[in-house]
Amino acid sequence: NAGVMQNPRHLVRRRGQEARLRCSPMKGHSHVYWYRQLPEEGLKFMVYLQKENIIDESGMPKERFSAEFPKEGPSILRIQQVVRGDSAAYFCASSAKPYEQYFGPGTRLTVT
Amino acid sequence: ELKVEQNPLFLSMQEGKNYTIYCNYSTTSDRLYWYRQDPGKSLESLFVLLSNGAVKQEGRLMASLDTKARLSTLHITAAVHDLSATYFCAVEEFYFGTGTSLTVIP
Repeated sequence: NAGVMQNPRHLVRRRGQEARLRCSPMKGHSHVYWYRQLPEEGLKFMVYLQKENIIDESGMPKERFSAEFPKEGPSILRIQQVVRGDSAAYFCASSAKPYEQYFGPGTRLTVT
Repeated sequence: ELKVEQNPLFLSMQEGKNYTIYCNYSTTSDRLYWYRQDPGKSLESLFVLLSNGAVKQEGRLMASLDTKARLSTLHITAAVHDLSATYFCAVEEFYFGTGTSLTVIP
């Protein structure tokens, strides 16, 4: 059983471009969480999704950020018009049941 | 917003010694997680604590939860170098502590 997959692992974007981060949950998992980790800091929750639904997006910046988890395919975190402050590691986690999360390897976004 | 504080932020300890990391949080909650993160890596789930008085142990690590005091502890027994990492507590799936960077010195 493959673990949580994230791609790309490293992403470089210039200011103003769009970044698309993908998260494929473990097989059978229908819950996905996205987090952002700035250098030398803890994780900040961004959004919690179930298939085709956003359950909690209270940690998501109001502008430029969006997330989806379609019926088929990976969950996608989309950042439009990236700025240098978006440079961070973005982790997703998936779960099939409460209290059991599995984290992906992360995508390290660098904005130049 | 729920706040989670960990202390210490940095911990340097000798092999063989014992120490405790503390995690305080500001409002009641019914679940508390501990994670380990190695440099440049993802998070590894260590424990989930679901009730007052819950205690879980794995190897040299033991975690406990006091929901009345809003406090969880991660106790390290007879530390070894392999335990060097950053340890995070998290309340529910949404609120993470700042992390404790642990270095075990031979």
